[in-house]
Amino acid sequence: EAQVTQNPRYLITVTGKKLTVTCSQNMNHEYMSWYRQDPGLGLRQIYYSMNVEVTDKGDVPEGYKVSRKEKRNFPLILESPSPNQTSLYFCASSLIGGDEQFFGPGTRLTVL
Amino acid sequence: GQQVMQIPQYQHVQEGEDFTTYCNSSTTLSNIQWYKQRPGGHPVFLIQLVKSGEVKKQKRLTFQFGEAKKNSSLHITATQTTDVGTYFCAGLNAGGTSYGKLTFGQGTILTVHP
Repeated sequence: EAQVTQNPRYLITVTGKKLTVTCSQNMNHEYMSWYRQDPGLGLRQIYYSMNVEVTDKGDVPEGYKVSRKEKRNFPLILESPSPNQTSLYFCASSLIGGDEQFFGPGTRLTVL
Repeated sequence: GQQVMQIPQYQHVQEGEDFTTYCNSSTTLSNIQWYKQRPGGHPVFLIQLVKSGEVKKQKRLTFQFGEAKKNSSLHITATQTTDVGTYFCAGLNAGGTSYGKLTFGQGTILTVHP
């Protein structure tokens, strides 16, 4: 089944404890992206990747890192999480940049 | 930077009434996409508009892209309870060095009363 998977789905952590949210797609898509969703603010793009080894900042990249070493994986790294990073995070992929995006199920992160 | 404003933020309708949500971009867009997110779910792609003045229909849903490629609308005719959810537009930057940058509107939360 063609899909985007994210892990974990739920995470409660404390300020400053490094964490990684994984994202994987099995559709051989070139484009992958991370979003955070907060009430009243919609979806805001954190980082995106047009292809392997190519990443670019979205609208809210501060406090996040990404890497794209393989086509299928696009992990989101929070080196030192803070409470303002409490949010619902979505990973998405598309065949190429600008095409329809397929979203993962989301990761609900709480930083205490 | 590019901003996409979407209104209204909330819309409550009786089943059978029509519904429209509007998006306006501060810059010219390469294309605009529409997504629907059911409560507790993830966004699901509905449609993409590319051409100036384009109009597309999907059953009771009508999507329009403005002539200047800076605004768009989604109209639902005779809403049903299955239409409940949040509708997002997403504009793709029209070139430059940030082609893959997609900016979402804030979304319109639609509730339908039976």
